[in-house]
Amino acid sequence: GESVGLHLPTLSVQEGDNSIINCAYSNSASDYFIWYKQESGKGPQFIIDIRSNMDKRQGQRVTVLLNKTVKHLSLQIAATQPGDSAVYFCAESHHSGGSNYKLTFGKGTLLTVNP
Amino acid sequence: SAVISQKPSRDICQRGTSLTIQCQVDSQVTMMFWYRQQPGQSLTLIATANQGSEATYESGFVIDKFPISRPNLTFSTLTVSNMSPEDSSIYLCSVAQGAGNTEAFFGQGTRLTVV
Repeated sequence: GESVGLHLPTLSVQEGDNSIINCAYSNSASDYFIWYKQESGKGPQFIIDIRSNMDKRQGQRVTVLLNKTVKHLSLQIAATQPGDSAVYFCAESHHSGGSNYKLTFGKGTLLTVNP
Repeated sequence: SAVISQKPSRDICQRGTSLTIQCQVDSQVTMMFWYRQQPGQSLTLIATANQGSEATYESGFVIDKFPISRPNLTFSTLTVSNMSPEDSSIYLCSVAQGAGNTEAFFGQGTRLTVV
């Protein structure tokens, strides 16, 4: 299985700045990707998803970019707010169309927004 | 999105005992999953809870340690058996919805401490 360390990558930004959180995935067969936000003491919250037939998708203040060539995913948060402070996880899936849909999660990045 | 409720939200248990965690969804869902999140780490899939049949376990997880029930399309339980301090984790229930059952949503988690 994937090895993980005890310390998350961290990103510290000033309120109002844009944030970019990066994720590398390993399975070239993955065709669906999700970004989650997890606040302390809560379960992961769905932010935005993207399928492999797209390279960009926008939501409210968030944009996900997918580069399949280098197996890289990023989450851009515009005008970052203190309420955006959380751990952000990317997750990948290979939805084969069968009954066993499942997600593989990345290590997570701790975003801290300074007022 | 589905509303997912987990009980208990947290517990402190003695080693050697077992704890059953409940997951209730406010709508019928085809796919339900159980994840483990060890302190400071990412999420790892334990098993897929199949309605009307035995759960499908991921590598490293076995039914004797983590028995799962799925009596209907809105409810599942995960039991952590014969607990040891290494089982101290957050346990999360997840459901898949949306087109092709791709969007995965999580409950708030059960924070388990084994002493």
